Amino acid sequence: DQQVKQNSPSLSVQEGRISILNCDYTNSMFDYFLWYKKYPAEGPTFLISISSIKDKNEDGRFTVFLNKSAKHLSLHIVPSQPGDSAVYFCAADSGGSYIPTFGRGTSLIVHP
Amino acid sequence: GAGVSQSPSNKVTEKGKDVELRCDPISGHTALYWYRQSLGQGLEFLIYFQGNSAPDKSGLPSDRFSAERTGGSVSTLTIQRTQQEDSAVYLCASSGFAGTGGGYTFGSGTRLTVV
Repeated sequence: DQQVKQNSPSLSVQEGRISILNCDYTNSMFDYFLWYKKYPAEGPTFLISISSIKDKNEDGRFTVFLNKSAKHLSLHIVPSQPGDSAVYFCAADSGGSYIPTFGRGTSLIVHP
Repeated sequence: GAGVSQSPSNKVTEKGKDVELRCDPISGHTALYWYRQSLGQGLEFLIYFQGNSAPDKSGLPSDRFSAERTGGSVSTLTIQRTQQEDSAVYLCASSGFAGTGGGYTFGSGTRLTVV
């Protein structure tokens, strides 16, 4: 039973355009959400997070949107760059857990 | 060290053998996590150590899996009598405090292949 779902295994975008990666969750206890980026043969690296008290968090080219009523979050990358090509994992945890639950990841390819 | 170090980076073992995977967390980090990523799957939680507290072993898939953390620093994940379904990338992460995943730093992982 997947509590964090990334239904698109892959996404292809042209350089300069917007990349939108989606994530859905089922556990209403989740109150903190994170995005990680992973290059081949490397460990995941933290990208951006959002608390459930917010609906948007922005960091440079990266913005995460949270829709609690829909149990949905998305990561927007604009403008997309070839160096953004990687696997992006959505993760969620609750204040009492401290153990993030990860989705299966979405492989983003940004074409020059 | 500057980051989380895992060894070996790659391990090929025969079915039925035991393997040990090592994780050196960032110095001073009190929380340590083991995850694994099987082909086409997400990161699956295995075990969590926090300071001197009893570890949270709720993610270990079977009693063939065990882990320890000596002196609150280095951790070893042991898989006994390996099976082909154990083949995965095993990732270790550490954090200076529990919660808020932005504080987790992952190692590069150990790719385990059971033949």
